[in-house]
Amino acid sequence: AQSVAQPEDQVNVAEGNPLTVKCTYSVSGNPYLFWYVQYPNRGLQFLLKYITGDNLVKGSYGFEAEFNKSQTSFHLKKPSALVSDSALYFCAVRDMFGYSSASKIIFGSGTRLSIRP
Amino acid sequence: DAEITQSPRHKITETGRQVTLACHQTWNHNNMFWYRQDLGHGLRLIHYSYGVHDTNKGEVSDGYSVSRSNTEDLPLTLESAASSQTSVYFCASSEPETSDSLGNTGELFFGEGSRLTVL
Repeated sequence: AQSVAQPEDQVNVAEGNPLTVKCTYSVSGNPYLFWYVQYPNRGLQFLLKYITGDNLVKGSYGFEAEFNKSQTSFHLKKPSALVSDSALYFCAVRDMFGYSSASKIIFGSGTRLSIRP
Repeated sequence: DAEITQSPRHKITETGRQVTLACHQTWNHNNMFWYRQDLGHGLRLIHYSYGVHDTNKGEVSDGYSVSRSNTEDLPLTLESAASSQTSVYFCASSEPETSDSLGNTGELFFGEGSRLTVL
């Protein structure tokens, strides 16, 4: 069965410092991996995805994520945090086997990122 | 610009009442989804549809129903609201993934959410 874990409920970082939001996953086949961000009172917005190819994926707002197959991880990173990055971040996974299997997208419980000035 | 809208944004109702949350998308996407968001649970899938007249149950479908009479709309109905259904509800849409791994991979486009309180 698919699963995704975000081990940290909250991550606190000073502005200008690098940030990492952790995500580990479990799927039966090769994964499609996603990061979404949610600002207060808003819906989720797509940030980036890993499908195949380079293990380092670049996305919106300067974020990137590193796919590590041996550790089954897909951590979200940013070299220099901004106060405006403060939001709720969700990791999601889908097993790439199965046409039109969007229903099998599984979300993590979310990590609240707080950037202090 | 294409968008996905939900209404109402906020709703307070009483136990036992029927409630319908509307979702309308102008992306012309075939796939539509309803999720609920609760603290500590992330997003959980309630129902989904791959096209007109197609509906499917997600992991937390008990007490909810949907219907798909056109491409644009997927209303979510709570037949008899319960306090356990107090939550924030999100509608989302996507294009079907293609079999080619370089093709569309089904990213979800979300509405702004509907906050439902059942007293």
